[in-house]
Amino acid sequence: EPEVTQTPSHQVTQMGQEVILRCVPISNHLYFYWYRQILGQKVEFLVSFYNNEISEKSEIFDDQFSVERPDGSNFTLKIRSTKLEDSAMYFCASISFYEQYFGPGTRLTVT
Amino acid sequence: QKEVEQDPGPLSVPEGAIVSLNCTYSNSAFQYFMWYRQYSRKGPELLMYTYSSGNKEDGRFTAQVDKSSKYISLFIRDSQPSDSATYLCAAPYGGATNKLIFGTGTLLAVQP
Repeated sequence: EPEVTQTPSHQVTQMGQEVILRCVPISNHLYFYWYRQILGQKVEFLVSFYNNEISEKSEIFDDQFSVERPDGSNFTLKIRSTKLEDSAMYFCASISFYEQYFGPGTRLTVT
Repeated sequence: QKEVEQDPGPLSVPEGAIVSLNCTYSNSAFQYFMWYRQYSRKGPELLMYTYSSGNKEDGRFTAQVDKSSKYISLFIRDSQPSDSATYLCAAPYGGATNKLIFGTGTLLAVQP
């Protein structure tokens, strides 16, 4: 069964460093998303992406964040200058009809 | 933005029990509802989605939507220890391809 994959599973970085989180959505899906979940809190929306452009972004998704689909399979989230409060699980998702499928997540730890 | 609310639990039941998990929502624009299961430090796994009011059954799981009272339920029959997880309800904000608004999740523990 096709699934969303994410790499790395765990990323440790120092405050101020850039990180790139990678996702491979399910191949025939057209809408892609990034969500994050701070430990003990709700899953919250960051950004949606369709037809090679951002369709919606949340207040969290400020100028430090960017997304890209560099080729036909990968979907990346870049954080330019990480802060301590960026520590969270980051989930990629893609959609088929009404069903959003999530990847296993990347745990980002900012020290 | 408390548009989808859940009792965080934890909810502890004996193996074989029928489990009832509930959500309420405030936005009448929500038309679709999803239930996800999330194991600790893993991604949400889609269990079911529903569109209209009424029941939808899939194996041991039944999702129920009452749009008149803005109430969503997930029933698990013959619960198993492997069902122990956090259950999240979610609704897309606007159309079906829009961002999902999640509840806080209910932590379920099924005791063998």
